[in-house]
Amino acid sequence: DQQVKQNSPSLSVQEGRISILNCDYTNSMFDYFLWYKKYPAEGPTFLISISSIKDKNEDGRFTVFLNKSAKHLSLHIVPSQPGDSAVYFCAGGSNYKLTFGKGTLLTVNP
Amino acid sequence: DVKVTQSSRYLVKRTGEKVFLECVQDMDHENMFWYRQDPGLGLRLIYFSYDVKMKEKGDIPEGYSVSREKKERFSLILESASTNQTSMYLCASSKQEAQETQYFGPGTRLLVL
Repeated sequence: DQQVKQNSPSLSVQEGRISILNCDYTNSMFDYFLWYKKYPAEGPTFLISISSIKDKNEDGRFTVFLNKSAKHLSLHIVPSQPGDSAVYFCAGGSNYKLTFGKGTLLTVNP
Repeated sequence: DVKVTQSSRYLVKRTGEKVFLECVQDMDHENMFWYRQDPGLGLRLIYFSYDVKMKEKGDIPEGYSVSREKKERFSLILESASTNQTSMYLCASSKQEAQETQYFGPGTRLLVL
């Protein structure tokens, strides 16, 4: 049973445009959600998080939106930069544990 | 600066061998985790620990055990390695009061022949 789903394995955007990465979840007990970024041969790095009681959190070029009724969250990157090219994982968390999606490979073309 | 280190970046072992993967964090974090990452499957939690000598099973604990004798060190043990345990293994840690943010090590790519 996949509790966190990232249905797009890959996404390609032009530099300067908006990147929108999507994530759906089935577990209503998650207390918070996070996005992690992963470059090849490195461990994932924390990007941004949102509490389950919020619907938006913004940090510089990164904004996460949470729609609890739809059990959907999204990460917006504006403007996208070539250095943003990486695999992005969304995760839901509660009681110490994180449950990750399978990841979306974002490629930002110069 | 937060740092999680893993003892090896690459490891090649034979089927049936006992394998130890070591993880050390220098942030005085209470919680530590072991994941494996496989293509198309994302990160899956194997075991975690929220205190010294404490351990909890994650989603895929079969074939693995762990040890946490000191706060800064969390070991993953493959008692008898099998080819289906060929994977990227990632260690992470987090603070008790900020447990939503986990810090990851660089990973160990294990090949079991």
